[in-house]
Amino acid sequence: DVKVTQSSRYLVKRTGEKVFLECVQDMDHENMFWYRQDPGLGLRLIYFSYDVKMKEKGDIPEGYSVSREKKERFSLILESASTNQTSMYLCASTPDRGSSPLHFGNGTRLTVT
Amino acid sequence: GENVEQHPSTLSVQEGDSAVIKCTYSDSASNYFPWYKQELGKGPQLIIDIRSNVGEKKDQRIAVTLNKTAKHFSLHITETQPEDSAVYFCAAFPLMDSSYKLIFGSGTRLLVRP
Repeated sequence: DVKVTQSSRYLVKRTGEKVFLECVQDMDHENMFWYRQDPGLGLRLIYFSYDVKMKEKGDIPEGYSVSREKKERFSLILESASTNQTSMYLCASTPDRGSSPLHFGNGTRLTVT
Repeated sequence: GENVEQHPSTLSVQEGDSAVIKCTYSDSASNYFPWYKQELGKGPQLIIDIRSNVGEKKDQRIAVTLNKTAKHFSLHITETQPEDSAVYFCAAFPLMDSSYKLIFGSGTRLLVRP
């Protein structure tokens, strides 16, 4: 089974802090994604990556950046955390660029105070 | 761009009854429609998917139907059990989009009462 591991289940950070959310997948998938999940809004794509050192903006990239230095690892960075970034963050991966299933991690619940 | 609407937002059924969740999409070029189940404390997991060249697909107690003309697709769960309680998301993959952007609905919280 594909395993997507997010390093933290819960994080509490202060406004203005730089925050790193880490994600690792063990199936040599080319494509990795960061989603944000908020009640009533579903899953919204923040950033995704098709290859090492490659990144593309999703639907809500403002206030975020990403890093993919190795194929298996995709990091989400909040440059200066704000309270409106309090949310559940989900990482996912998939082997194909086309219509293939996403494999999700269990999420990181971030609270910014 | 693609937009996916999902209804209802919450659904409560008695154990053994059926549950139906409906989604509509806007981009007629969309060709892939997965359904994900998210249990408490876990990430979403694919439970069934359907492609645009198929009208219906079944897997034990769950089925998905697709009406391309009306641009809607539905998830059907029969003989519901308490372990079916979860949040369900539909999604659509717009074929003509040059980047991989699966568009999700807003989710349905299903509660199966014992």
